[in-house]
Amino acid sequence: SQQGEEDPQALSIQEGENATMNCSYKTSINNLQWYRQNSGRGLVHLILIRSNEREKHSGRLRVTLDTSKKSSSLLITASRAADTASYFCATDSWGKLQFGAGTQVVVTP
Amino acid sequence: GAVVSQHPSRVICKSGTSVKIECRSLDFQATTMFWYRQFPKKSLMLMATSNEGSKATYEQGVEKDKFLINHASLTLSTLTVTSAHPEDSSFYICSARDALAGVYNEQFFGPGTRLTVL
Repeated sequence: SQQGEEDPQALSIQEGENATMNCSYKTSINNLQWYRQNSGRGLVHLILIRSNEREKHSGRLRVTLDTSKKSSSLLITASRAADTASYFCATDSWGKLQFGAGTQVVVTP
Repeated sequence: GAVVSQHPSRVICKSGTSVKIECRSLDFQATTMFWYRQFPKKSLMLMATSNEGSKATYEQGVEKDKFLINHASLTLSTLTVTSAHPEDSSFYICSARDALAGVYNEQFFGPGTRLTVL
């Protein structure tokens, strides 16, 4: 079963704009991870945030985690056409990942 | 580092045949590998957890006799779809966790295998 719900399902923005997507989950977690998938390809790990962390940065990515609300957000700043992909959150409970439905992001030049 | 390969990348087979998919960790050892299934424009669903040297643990609703998993070494896990039918057509993705990295760390994903059963 899917643990995470992602919002929005799809997002269309122009290059240079920021993209924000949210993930909500139901049970307790050890960490939450964000992945990216280009069409028909495998997943690329973007960032991992542990349950005792509130915010994490990696390049143009910023992830927040609110365990009281059981939610996380991924912000991509200054988006580029190459950021076009599907983005998934995945909750890690006792070493097993459960994925959200994903947000399809399209960045137009 | 941390590369996972899958072979084949794409396979088309006739209904009733069995298909084997290999998942290899190329530059690290993986005591645990995971197999996922993904339908078009959908999320990944965990099928089973593969542990080196022991039996795989299947998720609820996944037929273990249908999807045979073998994890014979620290760098190789195989998924065999037995007597495949058109409804087994899907994108199968494996992932591996570095044995030295601990349980609560990232998994590294293979590029996936597109299975089409005619």
